[in-house]
Amino acid sequence: GESVGLHLPTLSVQEGDNSIINCAYSNSASDYFIWYKQESGKGPQFIIDIRSNMDKRQGQRVTVLLNKTVKHLSLQIAATQPGDSAVYFCAERNNAGKSTFGDGTTLTVKP
Amino acid sequence: GAGVSQSPSNKVTEKGKDVELRCDPISGHTALYWYRQSLGQGLEFLIYFQGNSAPDKSGLPSDRFSAERTGGSVSTLTIQRTQQEDSAVYLCASSLEGQVNTEAFFGQGTRLTVV
Repeated sequence: GESVGLHLPTLSVQEGDNSIINCAYSNSASDYFIWYKQESGKGPQFIIDIRSNMDKRQGQRVTVLLNKTVKHLSLQIAATQPGDSAVYFCAERNNAGKSTFGDGTTLTVKP
Repeated sequence: GAGVSQSPSNKVTEKGKDVELRCDPISGHTALYWYRQSLGQGLEFLIYFQGNSAPDKSGLPSDRFSAERTGGSVSTLTIQRTQQEDSAVYLCASSLEGQVNTEAFFGQGTRLTVV
């Protein structure tokens, strides 16, 4: 069946460093990919998305890279801040509109 | 309201009792999801409603779990004869039907504790 999984369950970085969170997906027919951030006690919130016809998209301090050849998605956070500490989920959306979420990576930013 | 609303925010129930969790999606969003999240874990898909199509129930863990969506808007997730392993945060999300390039918006979740 479809699955989206993350390579690392936890990531610890120093404040000011760049963070890279990875995701592998299995459904090559997925059209759309999304990264969510979930802070403690809250529901996941949208960070950035990318369509399958793109390989890179940049936002404010965040960049998403998509490698369809190896079905890999990554989220890069520049100059990581303590407020970036959260669980990050990737999700893929198929052409029927259904989202499948990965397991999540816990990012901890050390001061 | 402007976002997805879930109620109650917290629910403590005794083992064996039934519970109902409610989700009010964003107005105009006809796709609705329920997920379960255990402490420190990822999102476990439960059920997906999309417009008038038959719901995708493939994630419901047992026949004690059911969900309905009345009038294409509010959804209720029902857990019968609750067990301690049902304790988790239940998250609801909604999105625009038929729009691939839109994200799902999540509610704050209902924290269910079965004692």
